[in-house]
Amino acid sequence: GAGVSQSPRYKVAKRGQDVALRCDPISGHVSLFWYQQALGQGPEFLTYFQNEAQLDKSGLPSDRFFAERPEGSVSTLKIQRTQQEDSAVYLCASSLVAGSTDTQYFGPGTRLTVL
Amino acid sequence: AQSVTQLDSQVPVFEEAPVELRCNYSSSVSVYLFWYVQYPNQGLQLLLKYLSGSTLVKGINGFEAEFNKSQTSFHLRKPSVHISDTAEYFCAVSRGGKLTFGQGTILTVHP
Repeated sequence: GAGVSQSPRYKVAKRGQDVALRCDPISGHVSLFWYQQALGQGPEFLTYFQNEAQLDKSGLPSDRFFAERPEGSVSTLKIQRTQQEDSAVYLCASSLVAGSTDTQYFGPGTRLTVL
Repeated sequence: AQSVTQLDSQVPVFEEAPVELRCNYSSSVSVYLFWYVQYPNQGLQLLLKYLSGSTLVKGINGFEAEFNKSQTSFHLRKPSVHISDTAEYFCAVSRGGKLTFGQGTILTVHP
C-alpha cells in the first residue's frame, strides 16, 4: 500500500533562497509531523498538525520556518532565506489518530543541502 | 522535559551473534517507548513499542525489548543477528504524540 511520500528527495539551494518541501501522508491519517535530522543525529521535532490545525510548532528553529496543511492532507514545509545550518534531512510522518500511543509512519525524507 | 540516551553510537557484531542496543530515558510522567530502524536511504520503520502491560515487548524481525522502570531503560535485543540487520536504530519516547529521539546506534553485522 501507499506509504508517506515526500518530494523532492534531494534539494540543493544557494544560501538565501527559499525552499518548499512537500509531504503526502497516508490517506486518512489525522496527524502529521515534521522532524529535522542533522547529520549523525536523531530526528528532532519541528511541528505537528491534527487535520488542518497546527497544534504545536514549538520545534521550529526560527521564524524563517513555516509549515501548513490547508486541507488536512498534504503538508508543505517552507524555509525562507535558507542558511547553511538548515542543511539536514527533513522527515515527515503521519499517524492514524492523535495521541502518544499511535505509531508514526515516516516518509523517506528530503535531504536539503544549502551551499 | 524528556530525554533519551543511547549509550553506544556504534555496535559491531558478527553474524549469528546476539546483540543488545542500550537506551535510557528520563521522564517525569508515564512513558510510551519506541524503537525505530533506519535502513540506508529509507524512512524510519517501527520495530516495536511499549505502551503498558508486559514489560517484554516483541517486535518485527526477531527483535525484542524490555521496559525496566526502576532503571529507566528500554534496551533492544536480538539473539542472533543477520547481515540484513545492518542499519541505524533509534530509541524514542512519546508525549502528546511528539517523539523525542536518541542519537541513534549504528549496528554493523559482519560475516
